[in-house]
Amino acid sequence: EDKVVQSPLSLVVHEGDTVTLNCSYEVTNFRSLLWYKQEKKAPTFLFMLTSSGIEKKSGRLSSILDKKELSSILNITATQTGDSAIYLCATGGTSYGKLTFGQGTILTVHP
Amino acid sequence: DSGVTQTPKHLITATGQRVTLRCSPRSGDLSVYWYQQSLDQGLQFLIQYYNGEERAKGNILERFSAQQFPDLHSELNLSSLELGDSALYFCASSSQGTLSSYNEQFFGPGTRLTVL
Repeated sequence: EDKVVQSPLSLVVHEGDTVTLNCSYEVTNFRSLLWYKQEKKAPTFLFMLTSSGIEKKSGRLSSILDKKELSSILNITATQTGDSAIYLCATGGTSYGKLTFGQGTILTVHP
Repeated sequence: DSGVTQTPKHLITATGQRVTLRCSPRSGDLSVYWYQQSLDQGLQFLIQYYNGEERAKGNILERFSAQQFPDLHSELNLSSLELGDSALYFCASSSQGTLSSYNEQFFGPGTRLTVL
């Protein structure tokens, strides 16, 4: 059974800090790894990493996939209070669309 | 706003009852996915439909069923409800049915189900 583990489970920082969130996975026939941000309700898509795209960046957020170590990191620089959310990592390991999610990292950014 | 719509937003019902959750995918998306999110289990995949056909199944209970209609909207039916079915139910959609590049899933706002 596919497994995704995120760490830390919870993180409290101050505005301006840089954070690194971790995701490790055990997936049969790995296809992709996705990062989502969940605030009040629906997860919103951040990045998708695949064998052909192991590094993505958007503004202050960036993510790297390490296929050798079966892991990924999500970096957020110069954090803002609006970055406070649950960050979810998910992987897909079949030819279809099923995603296996980690338990999430709760990030709290204080002013 | 992801473009995925779900109704209703909230649903309160009693044990033993049956409910139907509805999802409309983003315009042009052929795949619909259903997920359940609870505090102890996290976000769990239930089932996927692609262009009207079931494509993949997760740990979906036999009391639960889903379908995707010709207009591509989908319904998740939950029957003989138990207290433990209380959760947030998300629908997501994607343009294709596989995990190819650029086939990310976009989530709807969810339906919060409370079983009393």
